[in-house]
Amino acid sequence: KAGVTQTPRYLIKTRGQQVTLSCSPISGHRSVSWYQQTPGQGLQFLFEYFSETQRNKGNFPGRFSGRQFSNSRSEMNVSTLELGDSALYLCASSRVAGGPGDTQYFGPGTRLTVL
Amino acid sequence: QKEVEQNSGPLSVPEGAIASLNCTYSDRGSQSFFWYRQYSGKSPELIMFIYSNGDKEDGRFTAQLNKASQYVSLLIRDSQPSDSATYLCAVNAGANSKLTFGKGITLSVRP
Repeated sequence: KAGVTQTPRYLIKTRGQQVTLSCSPISGHRSVSWYQQTPGQGLQFLFEYFSETQRNKGNFPGRFSGRQFSNSRSEMNVSTLELGDSALYLCASSRVAGGPGDTQYFGPGTRLTVL
Repeated sequence: QKEVEQNSGPLSVPEGAIASLNCTYSDRGSQSFFWYRQYSGKSPELIMFIYSNGDKEDGRFTAQLNKASQYVSLLIRDSQPSDSATYLCAVNAGANSKLTFGKGITLSVRP
């Protein structure tokens, strides 16, 4: 079974631009969560989607948004990029959202660099 | 605010020793507990998970839960240099709650 895939793997943008990252979950998984990882802050939760609905949201500004499609694929968008948005963006999928079955499996991540 | 804390690192052990990694959580209603390993430059990979009803052993790895003291530990027996990585603890409080991660602890196994 194929794992979680994320595209693109690397991205370089300049301040003020916007970016869209994509995540395809493991087949049969309906929940997708997004995380931002930086050396200083660790793994920080952005949002979680289940069946096209946002279930949970982290403490990030409104410039960060996401959505999930009917095939469970998910995208996240960051508008008006800032230098501090440079990070590894990780997507994780699970069969369900919450509860004992919520075992998350991570994709390889997208490394975003903002210049 | 539900929190997951991992004891300060980095942790360094000699090859062949037992490495003990601990994690405390604040939500007494937490039901499932996960350990992930992350190599430098890579994404986290699941090592093992346990539910609130017991401990688990998988090869050289053992996850133990102490509900009364609200901590979960990961023991790595016969540590190998390939075990050198950052270990992330994650806790789920149940349905409709998100998975909460600790900041991780870096383990270094000296040959």
